[in-house]
Amino acid sequence: ETGVTQTPRHLVMGMTNKKSLKCEQHLGHNAMYWYKQSAKKPLELMFVYNFKEQTENNSVPSRFSPECPNSSHLFLHLHTLQPEDSALYLCASSSLQGSSYEQYFGPGTRLTVT
Amino acid sequence: GQNIDQPTEMTATEGAIVQINCTYQTSGFNGLFWYQQHAGEAPTFLSYNVLDGLEEKGRFSSFLSRSKGYSYLLLKELQMKDSASYLCAVMDSNYQLIWGAGTKLIIKP
Repeated sequence: ETGVTQTPRHLVMGMTNKKSLKCEQHLGHNAMYWYKQSAKKPLELMFVYNFKEQTENNSVPSRFSPECPNSSHLFLHLHTLQPEDSALYLCASSSLQGSSYEQYFGPGTRLTVT
Repeated sequence: GQNIDQPTEMTATEGAIVQINCTYQTSGFNGLFWYQQHAGEAPTFLSYNVLDGLEEKGRFSSFLSRSKGYSYLLLKELQMKDSASYLCAVMDSNYQLIWGAGTKLIIKP
């Protein structure tokens, strides 16, 4: 139990579908992150929210749209994806106070785009 | 540019010791992290070094040399459950993590 949950765990979607990934953290953290993990590649930071405000968007295509309604919930809305978007999508959270910066990860959503 | 290098794969024997190296070049430095990731699971936090030296935590130790841009993770008394990928990440001047591609550690009986 990591304190960060993600749903769904697995998702198969066509290129014309619209779907959303959900993340919830129960750790009282004030920062949340979306990462993309592809095989044999470093984790790619996609979006960062600090206190519900988006602070980073690392040149992510507009077919990925984040939403952070409060400091405990984070969504990633997906539409008209491409096969190369197939990957593991990880959500993480952290506290930006004090000296504790480690990020806690959810189990991820394995996304396959057909 | 920013870069984190670590070996792609290592093999070790159960009960032995293994050292996984990580070298980095980043814009600013606010600490170095090691994470463990079992296949199909989320990364889990192992260690954080911000000052030079060795941090020991049970069977795992992590070392940092900021002047050399170098860290290693030392795993002692290896167990089969230690088979996993080990990720090195550096926190840059913007407090964002820059990640290495990970080292897959294979433990043989």
